[in-house]
Amino acid sequence: SYEVTQPPSVSVSPGQTAFITCSGDKLGDKYASWYQQKPGQSPVLVIHEDTKRPSGIPGRFSGSNSGNTATLTISGTQAMDEADYYCQAWDSSHVVFGGGTKLTVL
Amino acid sequence: QLQLQESGPGLVKPSETLSLTCAVSGGSISSSSYYWGWIRQPPGKGLEWIASISYSAGIFYNPSLKSRVTISIDTSRNQFSLELTSVTAADTAVYYCARQNIVGITGRHFDYWGQGTLVTVSS
Repeated sequence: SYEVTQPPSVSVSPGQTAFITCSGDKLGDKYASWYQQKPGQSPVLVIHEDTKRPSGIPGRFSGSNSGNTATLTISGTQAMDEADYYCQAWDSSHVVFGGGTKLTVL
Repeated sequence: QLQLQESGPGLVKPSETLSLTCAVSGGSISSSSYYWGWIRQPPGKGLEWIASISYSAGIFYNPSLKSRVTISIDTSRNQFSLELTSVTAADTAVYYCARQNIVGITGRHFDYWGQGTLVTVSS
């Protein structure tokens, strides 16, 4: 079955750029989505179709997807961006989630 | 604004059946543009997709859970449901329902989520 892999944790200083990766075989041939989840809250879609931001998501969130890797980029990271981030793809009629990446802003 | 609300027992005994319902308001569950899905999250762990259903396109199951899962849709009540049989402590999790948007062949993202409901499996 298809799998996507994320690093368990990423750290970034306030104001710097955070990169969170998601790797899977030929992931670039599929659409990747990204969700932000803060403690005790439901996941929130922050990027879909590789690069699109839903209404209400700040412009500092962006995405890319090529080859075997999709990347969520958070520019000018703020303390409020500290959260768990999950990538998600669709393969052979199945939803696949990455294991999640804990973003620490310090 | 679309809203989804999960409901069901918060405590289920081992070997019994977990049953949850997701009520959808602010939009029709009959639209062919969307799937409707269940996702769960064990305490302290990541997201796990369980199943998705479409009014017109059918049903899709996580292969690892398929033998124990039934998902159904009730258009008259604008809701969809999940049943998970023979539960064990490993099925303890927050269960979310969500709308799954369809884009082309491979675009299937969840754009609206319920608040989640904690289901504990314990005697």
